[in-house]
Amino acid sequence: AQKVTQTQTSISVMEKTTVTMDCVYETQDSSYFLFWYKQTASGEIVFLIRQDSYKKENATVGHYSLNFQKPKSSIGLIITATQIEDSAVYFCAMRVNTGKLTFGDGTVLTVKP
Amino acid sequence: DMKVTQMPRYLIKRMGENVLLECGQDMSHETMYWYRQDPGLGLQLIYISYDVDSNSEGDIPKGYRVSRKKREHFSLILDSAKTNQTSVYFCASLTYNQAPLFGEGTRLSVL
Repeated sequence: AQKVTQTQTSISVMEKTTVTMDCVYETQDSSYFLFWYKQTASGEIVFLIRQDSYKKENATVGHYSLNFQKPKSSIGLIITATQIEDSAVYFCAMRVNTGKLTFGDGTVLTVKP
Repeated sequence: DMKVTQMPRYLIKRMGENVLLECGQDMSHETMYWYRQDPGLGLQLIYISYDVDSNSEGDIPKGYRVSRKKREHFSLILDSAKTNQTSVYFCASLTYNQAPLFGEGTRLSVL
């Protein structure tokens, strides 16, 4: 069975700083995909960034980057130069070979001016 | 632009009524999902569909069934809805870059 765990319920940071959100996962599959999504206040779920399990390089998209530590089954999301509009709920997710996509419970990020 | 469309966006039903939630995508993606999200919680997988008439139970399929007769449409059906099925329901479609694309959600209230 697959499991995704986000231990940080909420994080508060000052604008323009860097924040890291943690995520650990469990799977028996040797190949899988890891994702981070953002859910805005309106409820919209937006894809941010993806990491393929077979790739050693950490993915980077804009001011989002990942800290992929495969031996620890960990995929952290790093947001640099945070902005007020980054305030949202962030979800970590994993898709395994069956296509099943499992989500963590989310981390609420508040960016203060 | 790729888009997943859910209808209706808001729905109020009485306990015991049947509910039909519809999801569409025009990108001919094979794999589609239905999730529910309760307040303060993550998304729980109800069903996954790999293609027409190829559906598989997710983690919480009890009380739900699905239908996929065309690749572009994936329906979620609640036969005799219960009050504990009040939730926000999301549909998603697996894009070619491997990242599922989500619809805007349907907010269902069962009274």
